[in-house]
Amino acid sequence: AQSVTQPDIHITVSEGASLELRCNYSYGATPYLFWYVQSPGQGLQLLLKYFSGDTLVQGIKGFEAEFKRSQSSFNLRKPSVHWSDAAEYFCAVVEYSGGGADGLTFGKGTHLIIQP
Amino acid sequence: DGGITQSPKYLFRKEGQNVTLSCEQNLNHDAMYWYRQDPGQGLRLIYYSQIVNDFQKGDIAEGYSVSREKKESFPLTVTSAQKNPTAFYLCASSPYGGQSGNTIYFGEGSWLTVV
Repeated sequence: AQSVTQPDIHITVSEGASLELRCNYSYGATPYLFWYVQSPGQGLQLLLKYFSGDTLVQGIKGFEAEFKRSQSSFNLRKPSVHWSDAAEYFCAVVEYSGGGADGLTFGKGTHLIIQP
Repeated sequence: DGGITQSPKYLFRKEGQNVTLSCEQNLNHDAMYWYRQDPGQGLRLIYYSQIVNDFQKGDIAEGYSVSREKKESFPLTVTSAQKNPTAFYLCASSPYGGQSGNTIYFGEGSWLTVV
């Protein structure tokens, strides 16, 4: 079965500084990988996704992520964070059977704190 | 606007009662999902349905039940058998099959508290 590990429970970054959130996955086949963001008490918003092709994917809000098969990683990056980026970030991988998605497997999330 | 609507946003349940959380989507998606979120646990899959009148158990289905009588609706019942139901519940949906079936979208969630 697939699994996703986000090794950092909390990360604190100064506003304007760069950000990297780590994600490692365990999956036998080619993974379909996602990053979602969640504000307190809200649903999840899709930031970006990787299916195939270019290993550097661009998302919304200035985020990007790089798929590295050799490291089983899909780290999320942003060159300069804004106070509004403070939220919970989830990495996820999806499993398929019969052509349909059986659902996402999530990491436990990384809580991002932005310092003024 | 197209989207996934969950109701109610907040729900209180007495011990021993069943409660039903509503999830409706107007995205014409075939697949629908229910997740439970607890602090520090991430999200865990309760049930999913890839097609009308069919659904599958996820990782933590015990104490929950679902139905899928219509494509746009996937209600979740939290039964009295669920020993620790206080949590944030998220409904999601996705198209079925092919590249377009690879993205799962979420509703705004429902808070359930046992009192």
